[in-house]
Amino acid sequence: GAVVSQHPSRVICKSGTSVKIECRSLDFQATTMFWYRQFPKQSLMLMATSNEGSKATYEQGVEKDKFLINHASLTLSTLTVTSAHPEDSSFYICSARDGRTGNNEQFFGPGTRLTVL
Amino acid sequence: DAKTTQPTSMDCAEGRAANLPCNHSTISGNEYVYWYRQIHSQGPQYIIHGLKNNETNEMASLIITEDRKSSTLILPHATLRDTAVYYCIVRPASGGSYIPTFGRGTSLIVHP
Repeated sequence: GAVVSQHPSRVICKSGTSVKIECRSLDFQATTMFWYRQFPKQSLMLMATSNEGSKATYEQGVEKDKFLINHASLTLSTLTVTSAHPEDSSFYICSARDGRTGNNEQFFGPGTRLTVL
Repeated sequence: DAKTTQPTSMDCAEGRAANLPCNHSTISGNEYVYWYRQIHSQGPQYIIHGLKNNETNEMASLIITEDRKSSTLILPHATLRDTAVYYCIVRPASGGSYIPTFGRGTSLIVHP
């Protein structure tokens, strides 16, 4: 199956700093990427959907100015957590699909563990 | 806003079959049943999917009822490494506008 990578796999930062997480599709072109976050013992919660070359669509309750998403190419999307606070500590997961195929097949990255001190 | 319901947790003895049920009573005719699992601190891993026929691959078997309102994922010989949260999802095979969401899944614990 197709491969999606995330970088970094884990990051620890100080409160008030910004953190960028990258999501790459390694062997296919991802017209659409999804960003999820997952708090301990909870399910994946969709944060936003991004289509290549367009602004991301954020789910209700997710601050677009805090979670900046850029999907400038067909193989890379980035999520920047701005002015991170301890409550932003979570497991962030991206997934990707190639919408041009008309197929809804979705491939997940390995996740990024963010800890804000 | 998942369209499926699953038991919160199950356990299974190592080497025995693990049967994980999922109810999807509002499934539409063009929607497939997908199963993923998530091992602790990893991203979701695809297991299997099906439309109406039973399916089998190297990881598991999927049994879908004739009315398609429920399905069962079968891990024929569970190992300790199968301990994970298992998610059942229904989604259209194509269309491009589908937005994937997850329910709480079933936490499967395989014990020695």
